[in-house]
Parts: sequence; C-alpha cells; structure tokens
Amino acid sequence: DTAVSQTPKYLVTQMGNDKSIKCEQNLGHDTMYWYKQDSKKFLKIMFSYNNKELIINETVPNRFSPKSPDKAHLNLHINSLELGDSAVYFCASSLQGFRYTEAFFGQGTRLTVV
Amino acid sequence: QKEVEQDPGPLSVPEGAIVSLNCTYSNSAFQYFMWYRQYSRKGPELLMYTYSSGNKEDGRFTAQVDKSSKYISLFIRDSQPSDSATYLCAMSAQRKIIFGTGTRLQVFP
Repeated sequence: DTAVSQTPKYLVTQMGNDKSIKCEQNLGHDTMYWYKQDSKKFLKIMFSYNNKELIINETVPNRFSPKSPDKAHLNLHINSLELGDSAVYFCASSLQGFRYTEAFFGQGTRLTVV
Repeated sequence: QKEVEQDPGPLSVPEGAIVSLNCTYSNSAFQYFMWYRQYSRKGPELLMYTYSSGNKEDGRFTAQVDKSSKYISLFIRDSQPSDSATYLCAMSAQRKIIFGTGTRLQVFP
C-alpha cells in the first residue's frame, strides 16, 4: 500500500506542451505539497494545500496550476512547458496540527522537456 | 541568502567512520528541525526530528540543534555502506517545510 503515489513516474515531452502530474495519498492527511527538485538536488516548495485550500504559493510561474479536488488528491498542471521545467517533482503530504508534522513523500515524477 | 544552508558535499568516508552533517539557517521562527534521507531515484524519507534546542539519539544517529547559533547537526556513528545517500536537513514554521540543498554521502567498504 503506497502512502503517497504520483503518476506518471517519468514524463518526456516537447517544449510548449501542456502536461499534468497526479498525486494521491491514503494516509488521511489534510495537507499536501508540491516540491521541485533540480539537478543539484535542491528541494524547493512550490505549493501547499490544506483541506483543499491553497495556503502556500511560492514564486512559481503562472504556467503552473495546482488543483485539489479533495483532501486526498493534489494534481499539478503545467502549461507551455519550457526547458527549465525539467526536474523531479515530488508530491508530499502531512498532518497539520498544533505540533510538528512529518511530511511523507511520493517517489517523484521525473520531467524532461526536450 | 537561502533560509537554510547546507554543504552539498560529496562526502566520502570509509565504513565505520563517524560522519558529521551540518546545516545553518537564518529564520529564527523555525521550531522543528528534521533530517531526511534520500536514496537515488527515491523520495526523501524522514530520519529524525527535534523540537527546539537539544540532542536526540536514535541508534547510530544523533541529531543536535543549537538555536542560539542557528546550527543543526546529524552524527552517524559506525557508518555503513547502506548509509550512502543524500541527507537533507529541513525546518518547519508557519506550515511550511524548508529544505537544505542536501549533502551527498558515500560510505565505502
């Protein structure tokens, strides 16, 4: 039973295309995230949703649009893909609360834009 | 300046060595301090966490936090080849988890 699963695992596409990455968690968490990891392994937060509400929106181009249909799902749609979008995108989830929260990560989606 | 700074390495040590991994940070609002381990082509997994200043030990791993210096460390005793991975420090505050750049560690037999 995968806790946080994202699809697809690999995505190769041409510049200018539109693509989506899907994420689902079965942990009962109420908060989900998208992170981008570049070639130097730097993991940078992009978005965070808590109970389907956008709570964090870092400086990310408008071409990136997250959508959370329910607490267990957070999808990422990317329009007009550019070469610089090539990276590994990680979905994560956690339980927000009064105390510390541990984030569980998916396996990542390796996006290559050619 | 990044909120969290971490030496990217790589760090190469022989089996059995003591490894020290460190991060510095600038945001004094951080309260929870974590270490994640990431194997190649996998997602990060939580290794340890501490709240505020102090030490925490878990088997061969010890996490230290010094809030006055804004400095955190992870020590690995008796390192094993299976410890070879990228180690990312992370800190949370205001419902956000911020990661360091990660240190790549290789333990050779």
